Amino acid sequence: QQPVQSPQAVILREGEDAVINCSSSKALYSVHWYRQKHGEAPVFLMILLKGGEQKGHDKISASFNEKKQQSSLYLTASQLSYSGTYFCGTEFHFKAAGNKLTFGGGTRVLVKP
Amino acid sequence: NAGVTQTPKFQVLKTGQSMTLQCAQDMNHEYMSWYRQDPGMGLRLIHYSVGAGITDQGEVPNGYNVSRSTTEDFPLRLLSAAPSQTSVYFCASSTTGIVGYGYTFGSGTRLTVV
Repeated sequence: QQPVQSPQAVILREGEDAVINCSSSKALYSVHWYRQKHGEAPVFLMILLKGGEQKGHDKISASFNEKKQQSSLYLTASQLSYSGTYFCGTEFHFKAAGNKLTFGGGTRVLVKP
Repeated sequence: NAGVTQTPKFQVLKTGQSMTLQCAQDMNHEYMSWYRQDPGMGLRLIHYSVGAGITDQGEVPNGYNVSRSTTEDFPLRLLSAAPSQTSVYFCASSTTGIVGYGYTFGSGTRLTVV
């Protein structure tokens, strides 16, 4: 029931764009996105709750296609600070119902000058 | 505002030893969970709790016990440490009262079992 992320790794030049995909085999209640720098804890970026809803965090945005059970994270005009590993996490229910947040395997992003 | 605090930050255990990883949060979050992260891998859910007195298993619960006697604390116990439990352990918390609220992670405990 873990979501599947692709690609596994991306190398970008500063200013370039990238897309990270997250897909589930089961209907989703929500999709989370987190970024983890080397040796640090994951940091929450955004959560998407409705199908087709897009959210943004700086120049990082995401979409959620509820029917396809997929989410995509868009890194636009990438900056050096965007380097790290991005994880999507999926929930099948809301938290109070005994929900579990399970994570994909991660996408390593390296932004070069 | 400390957020989620994990102790210790580093620990070396011998095979067969037991220990407790501590996790405390000061945000009055109802939901708390434990994850392990192996090198180059994603996060795998060990146990979680939706409130004091309520716990449930995640994806990889074998070899670990949890209890939740207060809202603030959610300790993880390793019963008999094995080398396969060498990993980085993260505690996370969130509120169930606000829709669309993310999870806050602690800084992690790096555990080596020799």
